[in-house]
Amino acid sequence: QQQVKQSPQSLIVQKGGISIINCAYENTAFDYFPWYQQFPGKGPALLIAIRPDVSEKKEGRFTISFNKSAKQFSLHIMDSQPGDSATYFCAVKNRDDKIIFGKGTRLHILP
Amino acid sequence: KAGVTQTPRYLIKTRGQQVTLSCSPISGHRSVSWYQQTPGQGLQFLFEYFSETQRNKGNFPGRFSGRQFSNSRSEMNVSTLELGDSALYLCASSSYRASSYEQYFGPGTRLTVT
Repeated sequence: QQQVKQSPQSLIVQKGGISIINCAYENTAFDYFPWYQQFPGKGPALLIAIRPDVSEKKEGRFTISFNKSAKQFSLHIMDSQPGDSATYFCAVKNRDDKIIFGKGTRLHILP
Repeated sequence: KAGVTQTPRYLIKTRGQQVTLSCSPISGHRSVSWYQQTPGQGLQFLFEYFSETQRNKGNFPGRFSGRQFSNSRSEMNVSTLELGDSALYLCASSSYRASSYEQYFGPGTRLTVT
């Protein structure tokens, strides 16, 4: 049973454009919704995260939009740059600190 | 501040052998989690240790085990290796600081089972 569904699997965006990655979850017990960025040969890095009592969180060019009723959240990367090319994972965390990851989105920003 | 370190970085084993991987967390972090990353299954949670106690466990067979020492360093062990155990094994250390959650992953150990 896939508790976190992430889409799209891959995404190509022009430099300066907006990259949007979506995730949907099933269990309402999750209390923390992080996004991770992973470059080839490296471990994932926590990029930005949101708690369910907030509908949006912005950090620089990265924004999480959260829709609790629809059980969906998304990552928006504004003014996308070639250096943003990486694999992005959404995840959900429950109160026991168990983290479940989405399958990942491979993002490529065209120069 | 030193990051999460994992040793070894690369490992080649044959079927039936066992392997032990090591993870040293960020100083002050008491929680260490282990993940398996494969192209087919993605990132899957193995287990989490906090203050030397296993707090969470994923859906992996008993061949996968771990432990945490008093200095928060952690090891994971895989016995009777199978070809399907070939993967990148990642550990992450985490902590709640001033009500915010911080987590850092190590670079991983690339295990190849032949």
